[in-house]
Amino acid sequence: GQNIDQPTEMTATEGAIVQINCTYQTSGFNGLFWYQQHAGEAPTFLSYNVLDGLEEKGRFSSFLSRSKGYSYLLLKELQMKDSASYLCAAMDSNYQLIWGAGTKLIIKP
Amino acid sequence: DAGVIQSPRHEVTEMGQEVTLRCKPISGHDYLFWYRQTMMRGLELLIYFNNNVPIDDSGMPEDRFSAKMPNASFSTLKIQPSEPRDSAVYFCASSLATRQAYEQYFGPGTRLTVT
Repeated sequence: GQNIDQPTEMTATEGAIVQINCTYQTSGFNGLFWYQQHAGEAPTFLSYNVLDGLEEKGRFSSFLSRSKGYSYLLLKELQMKDSASYLCAAMDSNYQLIWGAGTKLIIKP
Repeated sequence: DAGVIQSPRHEVTEMGQEVTLRCKPISGHDYLFWYRQTMMRGLELLIYFNNNVPIDDSGMPEDRFSAKMPNASFSTLKIQPSEPRDSAVYFCASSLATRQAYEQYFGPGTRLTVT
């Protein structure tokens, strides 16, 4: 079957670094997405990886290992506004997104 | 562009009533998705369209749910009759399928409460 696993909740301190892990199993693979969702709002796109390696975009970076079925989202210099849920989603061979349950990130001052 | 537009933003209805949710995708996008999100089950894909044609409706819970896309700029999700367990946030999303970008753009969602 198809499955996405990510931690339910994480806590980090303002100004610190946090890594949110995601493992996936899909029928075929056409890329890995990370979305951010603030409470009461819609998910918004953060990153897309289809090749192995690290993609950096400002304070946020995303890593992919296709052989391991593994990705992580790295958030640096954490700010209070980064408190949100982070959704991992893998695209299968039919170009459908298989969504994880999301990781709720709590930032403490 | 105004982004994906959904209406209504909030809907409160009684069990047994018909509910219609509306979505206007981003102009030029060729995929449209309907999702449901609850605390218990997270984000669930209900159905998606490509060029106005339904491609996969395997996520539609049961016959009480139906979706249409009569043209490229409008889609509806209908629940008839509604039940309390349908209470959730319903998101519409659209995307443009290119080799580099399958990013989905989400609307603000419709928060449905069925009493």
